[in-house]
Amino acid sequence: QVQLQESGPGLVKPSETLSLTCAVSGYSISSDYYWGWIRQPPGKGLEWIGAIYHTGTTFYNPSLKSRVTMSVDTSKNQFSLKLSSVTAADSAVYYCARTQLLPYWGQGTLVTVSS
Amino acid sequence: QAVVTQEPSLTVSPGGKVTLTCGSSTGAVTSGHYPYWIQQKPGQAPRTLIYDTSDKHSWTPARFSGSLLGGKGALTLSGAQPEDEAEYYCLLTYSGVGVFGGGTKLTVL
Repeated sequence: QVQLQESGPGLVKPSETLSLTCAVSGYSISSDYYWGWIRQPPGKGLEWIGAIYHTGTTFYNPSLKSRVTMSVDTSKNQFSLKLSSVTAADSAVYYCARTQLLPYWGQGTLVTVSS
Repeated sequence: QAVVTQEPSLTVSPGGKVTLTCGSSTGAVTSGHYPYWIQQKPGQAPRTLIYDTSDKHSWTPARFSGSLLGGKGALTLSGAQPEDEAEYYCLLTYSGVGVFGGGTKLTVL
């Protein structure tokens, strides 16, 4: 049974960098598939942030590309998201997921950007 | 960046049939966009029902089906149940980059 679990600070100050990690259990991310991040501002729709393969190949949302960095740590079977220069507009529930076929989603973690 | 469009809201009667659609600002939706349909109920994480236009996950009820219809992606619900009331999101892929539609709020009434 594949499970994904997001972790990271729930509160980030404006202009700082948001950092989240997704721990994957039940499947080795170095085996195959793209893994990534999707977010949802409160009361709004889903937004695709990006995806990464275990080799480091990435695809990013063009509207966020200048601020997003994704990485993978195969030794810990986890992948990470960094979003720089955050503003209140980046406040959202952040989900990690296997982005190919999207069978597995994390439960989501709420990140609030506020001073 | 492409824009993906969905009906903001639809209503279906219990036991009825409804089709949700997903359009692309770049032209016709094709299998090459690998259309996904994702269901989200209030307070819950999203759950993917359909991928690659029409393929279902093991948990996808048989009453849901995906297709291409008139240049759009389509999700058809045949025999709506009260528990199908939810927000439905379409996701299209453009050269590896995903773009979600704004979602369709489906009411079963």
